Amino acid sequence: RKEVEQDPGPFNVPEGATVAFNCTYSNSASQSFFWYRQDCRKEPKLLMSVYSSGNEDGRFTAQLNRASQYISLLIRDSKLSDSATYLCVVNKNRDDKIIFGKGTRLHILP
Amino acid sequence: NAGVTQTPKFQVLKTGQSMTLQCAQDMNHEYMSWYRQDPGMGLRLIHYSVGAGITDQGEVPNGYNVSRSTTEDFPLRLLSAAPSQTSVYFCASSYAGGTEAFFGQGTRLTVV
Repeated sequence: RKEVEQDPGPFNVPEGATVAFNCTYSNSASQSFFWYRQDCRKEPKLLMSVYSSGNEDGRFTAQLNRASQYISLLIRDSKLSDSATYLCVVNKNRDDKIIFGKGTRLHILP
Repeated sequence: NAGVTQTPKFQVLKTGQSMTLQCAQDMNHEYMSWYRQDPGMGLRLIHYSVGAGITDQGEVPNGYNVSRSTTEDFPLRLLSAAPSQTSVYFCASSYAGGTEAFFGQGTRLTVV
């Protein structure tokens, strides 16, 4: 099983809809979880951290399910500008390697 | 504030040539890493460093060397370029392994 797995998509979603992606991880000792956004031909940038209690930032909600070893990202009222690739990141501790999922491509349709 | 600076932005190499991709950060981050990104493959970790003098292999280290003589710099060396190393390379730095990673703008490398 790969360390971090994501559905590559693409997810084609009409503007204004709600969309959710999951990311599964294999190492139960993982401690830090993040979602990054990458626009075409650009570098990845942090979208949000994922905390045990879940967290929300405007239209974006991230959750962690330790029992089933996955994190999720929910985007409400999607905008055309949300079109991008969303990468999940998992890390075990401060001295461990940072592993990225392959990313999920999202296309918001007008 | 420059953040993470990668040079060059574009490079074409002939098979067998060697070169060094430069990466520098001015945020006093201990953790630095190199990734390559190929279509459909996501970001794959090549090498990483948790501090000056310490490096370790990632998922795809073959054909690449790194060193970390200072906190600021983490160069990636291609010893003998191969067409399979055609890719986009990203350098990243963070305070530690479990914190936000900041990326350089990438180097687009073509090996012919």
